[in-house]
Amino acid sequence: NAGVTQTPKFRILKIGQSMTLQCTQDMNHNYMYWYRQDPGMGLKLIYYSVGAGITDKGEVPNGYNVSRSTTEDFPLRLELAAPSQTSVYFCASSYSGSNYEQYFGPGTRLTVT
Amino acid sequence: EDQVTQSPEALRLQEGESSSLNCSYTVSGLRGLFWYRQDPGKGPEFLFTLYSAGEEKEKERLKATLTKKESFLHITAPKPEDSATYLCAVQYGGSQGNLIFGKGTKLSVKP
Repeated sequence: NAGVTQTPKFRILKIGQSMTLQCTQDMNHNYMYWYRQDPGMGLKLIYYSVGAGITDKGEVPNGYNVSRSTTEDFPLRLELAAPSQTSVYFCASSYSGSNYEQYFGPGTRLTVT
Repeated sequence: EDQVTQSPEALRLQEGESSSLNCSYTVSGLRGLFWYRQDPGKGPEFLFTLYSAGEEKEKERLKATLTKKESFLHITAPKPEDSATYLCAVQYGGSQGNLIFGKGTKLSVKP
């Protein structure tokens, strides 16, 4: 099992550009999550999904969109990138939602200039 | 306001010097408290889940405990390879989105 994979590992965007961060898991987990981690701050939940076709907002969803067409994939879309979106983005998955541990990907480091 | 606070922010230990990390929380309807380890440049790695006050879990040199207001991660006789940032997270309430991570404690263990 590869676990949770994320691409790309690094990316530099110009202000106003758009991009999609890819996330794939091969553990047949129903639940998937997107977080951002800023220096000195805790992980902040952006969006999550409880299954294919079902997504919901987390704590900091503005400026992002997600979709979940399959169990394996949960891409995060950034529209009109802004410097405030410079961060490290982590995707995670869990078997179930209730109290189950999350498995994290290696992260994508995004810089918007 | 729902909060998760970890202390200290950073901790330096000598190899073999035992200590504890603290995670205090103020949420309603705790469903689970999680401890993760994060190495530089990597995603968090799951360590423990605690569900109710009085619960304890152990793994090698680590032991996690839970009360109604806080959790402790005890590190016994640490080794340099235990150096990492330790994150605490709390899931609460009825929504899967109700999940708060603390800012973490950066642990350095010197040989």
